[in-house]
Amino acid sequence: DVKVTQSSRYLVKRTGEKVFLECVQDMDHENMFWYRQDPGLGLRLIYFSYDVKMKEKGDIPEGYSVSREKKERFSLILESASTNQTSMYLCASSRQKQTDTQYFGPGTRLTVL
Amino acid sequence: SQKIEQNSEALNIQEGKTATLTCNYTNYSPAYLQWYRQDPGRGPVFLLLIRENEKEKRKERLKVTFDTTLKQSLFHITASQPADSATYLCALPPAGGGNKLTFGTGTQLKVEL
Repeated sequence: DVKVTQSSRYLVKRTGEKVFLECVQDMDHENMFWYRQDPGLGLRLIYFSYDVKMKEKGDIPEGYSVSREKKERFSLILESASTNQTSMYLCASSRQKQTDTQYFGPGTRLTVL
Repeated sequence: SQKIEQNSEALNIQEGKTATLTCNYTNYSPAYLQWYRQDPGRGPVFLLLIRENEKEKRKERLKVTFDTTLKQSLFHITASQPADSATYLCALPPAGGGNKLTFGTGTQLKVEL
């Protein structure tokens, strides 16, 4: 079974802090994704990576950056956390095959005070 | 850009009945469509994929249809059980292909005894 793990289930940070969210997958998937999910807005793609060191902006990249130094690990960075970044953050991975499904981690509920 | 619509109102049905959820999309013709299940506080889990040349797909008590003329997919759960209570998301690839998916906001299903 594919396993996608995220470093924290719950995280509380203060405005202005730098926040790192880590995601690790164990199935050698080429693609990795970061989403945020908010009530009424659904899942929105923040960033996508299709290979080590390669990334593409998603629909809402402002205020975020990412890092993919190893194939299995994809990090989301909030350079200076703000209260409007309070949300559920979900990581996913998939193979390069176009129709391949995405496997999601359990999510990190981030609260920025 | 493509737009996906799922009924935002929760669907409440009695145990044993068939639940039918709708996913409508506009502005393009996707090569396939996926359905995911999401439980509260967890990441989505893939259920079924249906391609544009398939009218119907089944998996145990689940059935998905894909009407490319109506630009609509229907997701059916027959003989529903309280354990089927969850939010169901449809997801479509981008126009022109690629590995990213755009998710609908989901429909919450509640199966009552």
